[in-house]
Amino acid sequence: DAGVIQSPRHEVTEMGQEVTLRCKPISGHDYLFWYRQTMMRGLELLIYFNNNVPIDDSGMPEDRFSAKMPNASFSTLKIQPSEPRDSAVYFCASCRANTGELFFGEGSRLTVL
Amino acid sequence: AQTVTQSQPEMSVQEAETVTLSCTYDTSESDYYLFWYKQPPSRQMILVIRQEAYKQQNATENRFSVNFQKAAKSFSLKISDSQLGDAAMYFCAYLLIQGAQKLVFGQGTRLTINP
Repeated sequence: DAGVIQSPRHEVTEMGQEVTLRCKPISGHDYLFWYRQTMMRGLELLIYFNNNVPIDDSGMPEDRFSAKMPNASFSTLKIQPSEPRDSAVYFCASCRANTGELFFGEGSRLTVL
Repeated sequence: AQTVTQSQPEMSVQEAETVTLSCTYDTSESDYYLFWYKQPPSRQMILVIRQEAYKQQNATENRFSVNFQKAAKSFSLKISDSQLGDAAMYFCAYLLIQGAQKLVFGQGTRLTINP
């Protein structure tokens, strides 16, 4: 299996621009998670989906952030407009229900200038 | 709400020695998983070891073992015969078995291996 695939690996953009991060979960996994990692806050859960349906988005910091999962093999995390404080590594992870094991992608490092 | 606390921001150990990383957690639930994840400089999150709370036996994976104390809500990771490749950030994490599938992470411990 190819594992969780994220793109882009690195993104540098200017403040105010729209950013879209992409994730392909492992086939057969019914949960998908978006995490953000910063030095100050560590790993924060932003949102997670079960069978393509958003279950808990309480970690999404602001309305500028949105996430979608149009099908079982694809999810996006969008930031519009982006701000310098959004600079972080964004991880996507997936798992099967009740297995207790998340598989993480390699992360997308976002820098907003 | 569940919380996970790692009280050691940094640890170091001599190569081939043994090191123990601490983790405590707070929960009112009885059925859950606990994990240790490793994040090397490549930043990939790698599962090191998993413990089911209903199991009394401590999990082991080769040189990695845990000391799970359910009553004390403590879950430490022991790395034996430390190797240079063990250098990484280590995160302790908690997950309910049923219900919200939200993995809650501790703040992490940066482990340095001295040659």
